[in-house]
Amino acid sequence: AQRVTQPEKLLSVFKGAPVELKCNYSYSGSPELFWYVQYSRQRLQLLLRHISRESIKGFTADLNKGETSFHLKKPFAQEEDSAMYYCALSTNFNKFYFGSGTKLNVKP
Amino acid sequence: KAGVTQTPRYLIKTRGQQVTLSCSPISGHRSVSWYQQTPGQGLQFLFEYFSETQRNKGNFPGRFSGRQFSNSRSEMNVSTLELGDSALYLCASSLGTGRSSPLHFGNGTRLTVT
Repeated sequence: AQRVTQPEKLLSVFKGAPVELKCNYSYSGSPELFWYVQYSRQRLQLLLRHISRESIKGFTADLNKGETSFHLKKPFAQEEDSAMYYCALSTNFNKFYFGSGTKLNVKP
Repeated sequence: KAGVTQTPRYLIKTRGQQVTLSCSPISGHRSVSWYQQTPGQGLQFLFEYFSETQRNKGNFPGRFSGRQFSNSRSEMNVSTLELGDSALYLCASSLGTGRSSPLHFGNGTRLTVT
């Protein structure tokens, strides 16, 4: 069965510290993976997707099929990065499975 | 370009009643998906419509239904409401033409069942 696991409910780091939000998935086919972010009082929005292989707001994520992971990383966290982050797996047309989310708190 | 619009923002209903939620997608988007978000279960997929046809369905009881109109607007209906249906219901639209087509979310409708 398809599943997305985000093991950390809350991650607190200091400004300027590196951050890694973990995401593991289980899917027997070829996965399409995304990171979505929800800032305070804003709607859920796309942060990045693995197929684009791009860096958004300093965040990157690499798909590791061997470890079935898609961890989100940023070398130097900023206070404005504080938000709720969701990892999502797309298995067929627009059917997404979301992880339970990780709340990132960047302290000054 | 206007974003995804969901109405109403808040609803309070009584057990046993039914409710209809509305979603207007981004112009040009033909796919509309619905998700239920609760603190305990997170985001759970309800169903997805593309060109007025239900293309995908999640594991929810038949009390949850939806439809999509020719202008891509979508409605979701929940009949015989239960206390456990209290949640934030999110609508998301996309081009729907491939698995990499990202979702664009609305602000949601907060449903409270008493």
